[in-house]
Amino acid sequence: GEDVEQSLFLSVREGDSSVINCTYTDSSSTYLYWYKQEPGAGLQLLTYIFSNMDMKQDQRLTVLLNKKDKHLSLRIADTQTGDSAIYFCAESTSGGSYIPTFGRGTSLIVHP
Amino acid sequence: NAGVTQTPKFQVLKTGQSMTLQCAQDMNHNSMYWYRQDPGMGLRLIYYSASEGTTDKGEVPNGYNVSRLNKREFSLRLESAAPSQTSVYFCASSPDRGYEQFFGPGTRLTVL
Repeated sequence: GEDVEQSLFLSVREGDSSVINCTYTDSSSTYLYWYKQEPGAGLQLLTYIFSNMDMKQDQRLTVLLNKKDKHLSLRIADTQTGDSAIYFCAESTSGGSYIPTFGRGTSLIVHP
Repeated sequence: NAGVTQTPKFQVLKTGQSMTLQCAQDMNHNSMYWYRQDPGMGLRLIYYSASEGTTDKGEVPNGYNVSRLNKREFSLRLESAAPSQTSVYFCASSPDRGYEQFFGPGTRLTVL
């Protein structure tokens, strides 16, 4: 099965919070990342969390890590239309030579 | 500071033709990567180069070859293109493995 799993779509109303979820399988993950891809562009790193952390907050973004359940989430507060994009969860592990393994991406659609 | 650049942006090939995708970075990064992105499949690693002078296979290397020409440049070659290689190809670089990856804008390749 996949190493990193995400739901494919999420639709929210402008101004609401968005929560994008991700599960991973490798318990030796060292870093977990969230990347954003806007239409027609490459990926850009949004934020990352070390595996020894539970939470990281950066302005409108909150990352939660539940190591026991191998679950990672990205919360975007006050979602705007400019947040519409594909969001990729990724993990890097020593067994994978620290090269990120990406999920399939979650398409976030923000409507007025 | 251009970051990661890729050429060409678009390409159409006939089955059996060959071509080379070019990638260059100006951030003095040690590690470079080639990914392909297919709808609903996320990013899959084709090849990577952890440092100048080394290359290693990723998840989907069949049908591709790479050259790490120098620290800046990492090219991907399709010797005999097949329709299954129709995809969007992304080059990325990072200071070293396990660090944030910086992505190029992508090459959209269609093989007829």
